[in-house]
Amino acid sequence: EVQLLESGGGLVQPGGSLRLSCAASGFDFSSFSMSWVRQAPGKGLEWLLGFSINPDRGILYADSVEGRFTISRDNSKNMLYLQINRLRADDTAIYYCVKRSGGYGMGGFDFWGQGTTVTVSS
Amino acid sequence: DIQLTQSPSTLSASVGDRVTITCRASQSISSWLAWYQQKPGKAPKLLIQKASILESGVSSRFSGSGSGTDFTLTISSLQPDDFATYYCQQYSKLYIFGQGTKLEIK
Repeated sequence: EVQLLESGGGLVQPGGSLRLSCAASGFDFSSFSMSWVRQAPGKGLEWLLGFSINPDRGILYADSVEGRFTISRDNSKNMLYLQINRLRADDTAIYYCVKRSGGYGMGGFDFWGQGTTVTVSS
Repeated sequence: DIQLTQSPSTLSASVGDRVTITCRASQSISSWLAWYQQKPGKAPKLLIQKASILESGVSSRFSGSGSGTDFTLTISSLQPDDFATYYCQQYSKLYIFGQGTKLEIK
């Protein structure tokens, strides 16, 4: 059974930093593209950044990501990470770790974690 | 940037109704479109990929169609469990979500 379990969220002051983690299990983690998606309170879904399905392309970023977000992975531990620096109030959201499905033409996110909540407030 | 516009933003319907949600892309995305269902307090659930391919375990009451810039999600006969928010997502270039359509009970 595929599982994605995020952790690391919490209350952070503006300007602070946070590292979110996602523990993956139940699939060959190293073989799949992974991303982070967030959802602000009462708002829609926003893809932030993720690993390209083409290893040569490396990491893909949403246009709205301003360099404050860094994604990394440790395939030996089946872990995905998101580092967020210089946190702002509008970063307040649920952050989801997501797995891209495999197969040609199948680019949807077929598995999602339960999400971890980040609240940026003084 | 490719933008996705869903319509309507809110849809009121009754159990047993057939409903259609539309997703329009600002440029052609071929068939690289997915649909999700999200219930309050839960993570989204993937319903359809490649515009029309139903995910395993998803009810056949759900269907998707379209290519290029215009896409639809149809629910053939609404069940109580279907009232939720639905999002389209393109994966032709990066990943972009539509703004969502809230399906409410009339």
